[in-house]
Amino acid sequence: GESVGLHLPTLSVQEGDNSIINCAYSNSASDYFIWYKQESGKGPQFIIDIRSNMDKRQGQRVTVLLNKTVKHLSLQIAATQPGDSAVYFCAENKRSGYSTLTFGKGTMLLVSP
Amino acid sequence: EPEVTQTPSHQVTQMGQEVILRCVPISNHLYFYWYRQILGQKVEFLVSFYNNEISEKSEIFDDQFSVERPDGSNFTLKIRSTKLEDSAMYFCASSDSRVNYGYTFGSGTRLTVV
Repeated sequence: GESVGLHLPTLSVQEGDNSIINCAYSNSASDYFIWYKQESGKGPQFIIDIRSNMDKRQGQRVTVLLNKTVKHLSLQIAATQPGDSAVYFCAENKRSGYSTLTFGKGTMLLVSP
Repeated sequence: EPEVTQTPSHQVTQMGQEVILRCVPISNHLYFYWYRQILGQKVEFLVSFYNNEISEKSEIFDDQFSVERPDGSNFTLKIRSTKLEDSAMYFCASSDSRVNYGYTFGSGTRLTVV
């Protein structure tokens, strides 16, 4: 069955709003989670990652939250910009020490000016 | 910023033909990957490669697929006899370590099998 999935296929926001993209995972053996951004015609681009021994990690305008109790991952984008419009994928490693990633289906983020 | 380069960007081939997708990983990276993405679907793992051998492969990566690192810079994916369902974007990625999951993806090759 599918290990990683997303709740919302499309998220539309206004420029300047904060965006939250959610992801559920089911593989308890995963200890590493990543968010990727994919713009049209391009490959996935690394945004931020988090290890399972952390609950929160912040980057520039982005924050990833991990709730291991309910196996939930979220990506928060502050002050969303039109350039943030893309498909966002969460991904997890298969298990500790293995480099293979399992991707979710993706959420399309549409930012209106 | 270092890039993973993939060629060609688009490839159209007839069913049953062999195709070779080419990738130039980042020069100091040692771990190489192929993923694919069927239109509108999620990115799927195909194969990982390290030290001139396959480290791991998925169920998708059957006998019709092979990978090779023919020289110090190129990393190729060969599909021996393409099927319609092989039509997808194929992404190459590389990483400097097995546990660095933020690996760098190329822009992909769009393969269309007709």
